[in-house]
Amino acid sequence: SQKIEQNSEALNIQEGKTATLTCNYTNYSPAYLQWYRQDPGRGPVFLLLIRENEKEKRKERLKVTFDTTLKQSLFHITASQPADSATYLCALRRGYGGSQGNLIFGKGTKLSVKP
Amino acid sequence: KAGVTQTPRYLIKTRGQQVTLSCSPISGHRSVSWYQQTPGQGLQFLFEYFSETQRNKGNFPGRFSGRQFSNSRSEMNVSTLELGDSALYLCASSLDWDSTDTQYFGPGTRLTVL
Repeated sequence: SQKIEQNSEALNIQEGKTATLTCNYTNYSPAYLQWYRQDPGRGPVFLLLIRENEKEKRKERLKVTFDTTLKQSLFHITASQPADSATYLCALRRGYGGSQGNLIFGKGTKLSVKP
Repeated sequence: KAGVTQTPRYLIKTRGQQVTLSCSPISGHRSVSWYQQTPGQGLQFLFEYFSETQRNKGNFPGRFSGRQFSNSRSEMNVSTLELGDSALYLCASSLDWDSTDTQYFGPGTRLTVL
């Protein structure tokens, strides 16, 4: 069965630095990957989606890459701020169309940005 | 536009009891999914409803059930509660039954089983 792993449970960085979070998967390549942000006591919030035929996607200070050879997605936050502190989840989709139940989530990486 | 709302936000029950959780999706959204989130297992899919029909179900025992009403509001029920059912239960709504639709999550219901 498909496995998805976010390598670090926690990541601590200094304000202003670039945070890089890793998401690895096994077996077949997903149709696309999503990244979510989750704050304590709240539900996940969708950030970015990257498809299998895309190498990179950007949104403001966020950048996501997708390497189907390495079976890995990297999530970057440039010029990080304390307000970026949260847990970041990656999720992969097994195919296009159909149920949201085909979305598999990683356990998340808790990012702490120190001033 | 109001976001996804879930009630109650917190719940404490004892083993053997049953519980009903409620979810109101974003206005106009017709698809509702439920997830269980625990530190050990992460976010796991429970089931998905669209147009009052269950479209997909995750790998959970039959004690977990749900339904959707004609106004797209959804409820999930857990019977004969076990200690391991303690978790954050999240509801997410999306516009249609299409996996490319963005899901919008509610704040969750924190269930504690004693």
